[in-house]
Amino acid sequence: KQEVTQIPAALSVPEGENLVLNCSFTDSAIYNLQWFRQDPGKGLTSLLLIQSSQREQTSGRLNASLDKSSGRSTLYIAASQPGDSATYLCAGRNTGNQFYFGTGTSLTVIP
Amino acid sequence: DTEVTQTPKHLVMGMTNKKSLKCEQHMGHRAMYWYKQKAKKPPELMFVYSYEKLSINESVPSRFSPECPNSSLLNLHLHALQPEDSALYLCASSQTRAGRSSYNEQFFGPGTRLTVL
Repeated sequence: KQEVTQIPAALSVPEGENLVLNCSFTDSAIYNLQWFRQDPGKGLTSLLLIQSSQREQTSGRLNASLDKSSGRSTLYIAASQPGDSATYLCAGRNTGNQFYFGTGTSLTVIP
Repeated sequence: DTEVTQTPKHLVMGMTNKKSLKCEQHMGHRAMYWYKQKAKKPPELMFVYSYEKLSINESVPSRFSPECPNSSLLNLHLHALQPEDSALYLCASSQTRAGRSSYNEQFFGPGTRLTVL
């Protein structure tokens, strides 16, 4: 079974900092990996999807990378803003169509 | 329209009640999902429908009964639930191609907050 771990579990940074969130998975037979944000008590908002054949995806201030060989994905957030405060979740889909979420990173950006 | 809608937003039910959760999307997606999320935990996959057929059931108790009446609708029927079933229930959808492992980006609804008394 795929195990997905996110480090750190919680992160607090001052506004304007660049930051990196990490996602590690145990099964390299990953089909794609998706990053989400979740505000308290709300649903998930898709941020970026990386297919297994890709190495990175960018959207605005966000950049996600995928290294299947090392079992890692990172989400880079540039020039963080208070509105970025949320829980960030990565989720990997394997070739058997199983979809596994990471444990999440709770981000607080301090004005 | 890139939205997944879920109703109701909140639901309180007793252990003997029968209720249903509803999910709807009009993005033409043919894969739809139910997840359960407890507080401060990641979502856990419950069911996957592909082309209106149940393709994945993650050993969910029979008191949860999914139904996919058409390509836009997904229901979750609830009966004889336990207090530990209280959680946020999330629906999602994605594109897929029949017979091929090509499930793509998932889009989530806002969830139904369920409380079982």
